[in-house]
Amino acid sequence: GAVVSQHPSWVICKSGTSVKIECRSLDFQATTMFWYRQFPKQSLMLMATSNEGSKATYEQGVEKDKFLINHASLTLSTLTVTSAHPEDSSFYICSARDVATTNNEQFFGPGTRLTVL
Amino acid sequence: SQQGEEDPQALSIQEGENATMNCSYKTSINNLQWYRQNSGRGLVHLILIRSNEREKHSGRLRVTLDTSKKSSSLLITASRAADTASYFCVSSGGSYIPTFGRGTSLIVHP
Repeated sequence: GAVVSQHPSWVICKSGTSVKIECRSLDFQATTMFWYRQFPKQSLMLMATSNEGSKATYEQGVEKDKFLINHASLTLSTLTVTSAHPEDSSFYICSARDVATTNNEQFFGPGTRLTVL
Repeated sequence: SQQGEEDPQALSIQEGENATMNCSYKTSINNLQWYRQNSGRGLVHLILIRSNEREKHSGRLRVTLDTSKKSSSLLITASRAADTASYFCVSSGGSYIPTFGRGTSLIVHP
């Protein structure tokens, strides 16, 4: 099946710094990618929809200035957590929608664990 | 959005037993995927079943899909302690954005 990768797998940073997480579709093109967040022992919650070449669409309650999303190419979307704080510590997962097929199949990356000290 | 709902929420079995988890969804799908997540770790893709398939096997995993009931099941045969994890289903396809349910937390006792 299609492969979606994320980099880094985990990151530890100091409070106040910014962290960039990459999401790549490795063997297909994705005009749309999605970013999810998972708190401990909870399900994944959709944060935003990333559209190639246009602005991301954020879910209610998600600060767009806090979580910057850039989808500059058909295989790469980035999520930047700006001025990170300990409460931003979480598991961030992306998914990519394969538009080459009529099924619009969607595949998920392995996730990135962010710990803010 | 389309949300998969897993059932049961938690399952505790002995090593060697079979584990069955169910998933329901609400709208028509093109495919349904099952993922595993070990505590504190990333998602691991287990299996994908398409809407025109009824059953699929992968090693000790068996997935069924009943589109008329909008449900799927994941069977893990001869479970091992290493199978202890949370299991999520997610449907995909069409224009909607898939979301995850809470997952089934499986504990396999050695």
